[in-house]
Amino acid sequence: ETGVTQTPRHLVMGMTNKKSLKCEQHLGHNAMYWYKQSAKKPLELMFVYSLEERVENNSVPSRFSPECPNSSHLFLHLHTLQPEDSALYLCASSREVGYEQYFGPGTRLTVT
Amino acid sequence: AQSVTQPDIHITVSEGASLELRCNYSYGATPYLFWYVQSPGQGLQLLLKYFSGDTLVQGIKGFEAEFKRSQSSFNLRKPSVHWSDAAEYFCAVGVWETSGSRLTFGEGTQLTVNP
Repeated sequence: ETGVTQTPRHLVMGMTNKKSLKCEQHLGHNAMYWYKQSAKKPLELMFVYSLEERVENNSVPSRFSPECPNSSHLFLHLHTLQPEDSALYLCASSREVGYEQYFGPGTRLTVT
Repeated sequence: AQSVTQPDIHITVSEGASLELRCNYSYGATPYLFWYVQSPGQGLQLLLKYFSGDTLVQGIKGFEAEFKRSQSSFNLRKPSVHWSDAAEYFCAVGVWETSGSRLTFGEGTQLTVNP
């Protein structure tokens, strides 16, 4: 596979569930990102990782927990989410932080 | 802090017509500038980027954009729109600061193409 892949593409979960989103990049990049895209809102940057180290956390609630075990993989662990967390979650990567970002197809999350 | 404005929330054009999508930014120095496109249910795809040099940049799918420093603008253009261009378009500004770098996105312009 090439580019940035995300699994699952769709996820429905209850508020008491625990689930994880996975992102993998095949571009040899050193930086990875999580974004939240809600209807009628600008793209919201959630987390930034550079060489597996978190370099930015934009006041994201603790019910979202990122993990970056290596420069190719990024996870977003979810627990006790709220209905307002329903959104498209996009992963992106770039050669280094600040360079153009390449996006995955996203995970459409619905919290019931 | 930098900001990005896309003044047009929704634009409708006829197939074959020309297109211009507006993007204005606010930043004290010259930023890096990007245009992305997003089809329904998909992620964002990079159309083109401006880092320095020639202010008219060519991108994929026949798109181009022109950086105008005096107007703080980076408008996206296409001479003849195809039905497959219907999508949402995002302008983004990247800046380097001592605290790190950041990419800020505009709110997007939804493009509808009429047959």
